Amino acid sequence: AQTVTQSQPEMSVQEAETVTLSCTYDTSESDYYLFWYKQPPSRQMILVIRQEAYKQQNATENRFSVNFQKAAKSFSLKISDSQLGDAAMYFCAYRSLNTNAGKSTFGDGTTLTVKP
Amino acid sequence: EAGVAQSPRYKIIEKRQSVAFWCNPISGHATLYWYQQILGQGPKLLIQFQNNGVVDDSQLPKDRFSAERLKGVDSTLKIQPAKLEDSAVYLCASSLRTSGGNTIYFGEGSWLTVV
Repeated sequence: AQTVTQSQPEMSVQEAETVTLSCTYDTSESDYYLFWYKQPPSRQMILVIRQEAYKQQNATENRFSVNFQKAAKSFSLKISDSQLGDAAMYFCAYRSLNTNAGKSTFGDGTTLTVKP
Repeated sequence: EAGVAQSPRYKIIEKRQSVAFWCNPISGHATLYWYQQILGQGPKLLIQFQNNGVVDDSQLPKDRFSAERLKGVDSTLKIQPAKLEDSAVYLCASSLRTSGGNTIYFGEGSWLTVV
């Protein structure tokens, strides 16, 4: 079974600065997807960015980018020019392309605080 | 486009009582998921439907939890009898198809407190 580990329960960043959230995962599969979700206090999970394992190029979405290291099974999220609205819980998730496709395994999250 | 709708948003019940949550996915989405999120943890999949058939219910406590998706559209999740450890947010989500690349869209969740 796949596992996802987020080793930083809490992180803080000054507004306009850059922060990196860490995620590692364990799998024996070669093809899969990785995701970062944002969960504000309202609890609605919002997709931030996703990465296909077969792509070597790191995904980017505006101020959000990832550092995907397949061999190390590492998938970190970098938030540039942090804004107050970025404050939330961030979850890393893994989804297999093979068995139970569509079932996502989530880490336990990192709470991000943005200081004005 | 309307998102995933869930109700009720909040529910407080006593242990051993029953509760039901309702979910209406995004129109046209074949795959529907129910997740349980306990405070301080990530969501855990309880059950996944493809249309009105169950794809995965391996982590559903079947002695007390049940779910159905009649007609392949909206779904209900029932807990009977509830235990204290069932206190959690129950997230419904949907995606166009089951394949791994499809984006999963989440509802705002139903908060359950069992006292």
